[in-house]
Amino acid sequence: GQQLNQSPQSMFIQEGEDVSMNCTSSSIFNTWLWYKQDPGEGPVLLIALYKAGELTSNGRLTAQFGITRKDSFLNISASIPSDVGIYFCAGQLHRAAGNKLTFGGGTRVLVKP
Amino acid sequence: NAGVTQTPKFRVLKTGQSMTLLCAQDMNHEYMYWYRQDPGMGLRLIHYSVGEGTTAKGEVPDGYNVSRLKKQNFLLGLESAAPSQTSVYFCASSLGGFTDTQYFGPGTRLTVL
Repeated sequence: GQQLNQSPQSMFIQEGEDVSMNCTSSSIFNTWLWYKQDPGEGPVLLIALYKAGELTSNGRLTAQFGITRKDSFLNISASIPSDVGIYFCAGQLHRAAGNKLTFGGGTRVLVKP
Repeated sequence: NAGVTQTPKFRVLKTGQSMTLLCAQDMNHEYMYWYRQDPGMGLRLIHYSVGEGTTAKGEVPDGYNVSRLKKQNFLLGLESAAPSQTSVYFCASSLGGFTDTQYFGPGTRLTVL
């Protein structure tokens, strides 16, 4: 089946830093999504990308749909403590209602002690 | 407006016991989903439903059954629990297809001894 690899698996942030994470696939996807999960909660959709090369922002978050359609990245600018959590990418092969999402394993963002 | 709710929040079962997880949404969404989340593996789709009275298999359906008798409820059943089913279970719903924003519940942490 399709596999999504997220890196890094975990990272430490210091307030004010910019951070970046990415997601790569062995297969082409037509839709990329980024979710964030806070401790003890379900994931929440951050950004949806529908077109190769697309760059979309949501506040301090920016995500891009890679032109090869096999990757996507998420940047967080000027990080703050509430950015801590697990970030998941998800891809969809065909933009059809019944076509399922494949999720990556997540990038865990932690605060530097 | 509660969004997506799940009961129970925690449960411990012995191998071979059965149980039902309940998901309810008050957003009049057509699509509902059950995922399981295991460390480092992201979310994997167990079963889903595209409307009242319908269900379909996801990526990892074995050992689970579901029912959608009412539009607002989606039940996940484990007939004979196994330790491999120890996981955190998330329910989600969306208005249309998979890449419509999926709203997740808070999760149910299940341990099978």
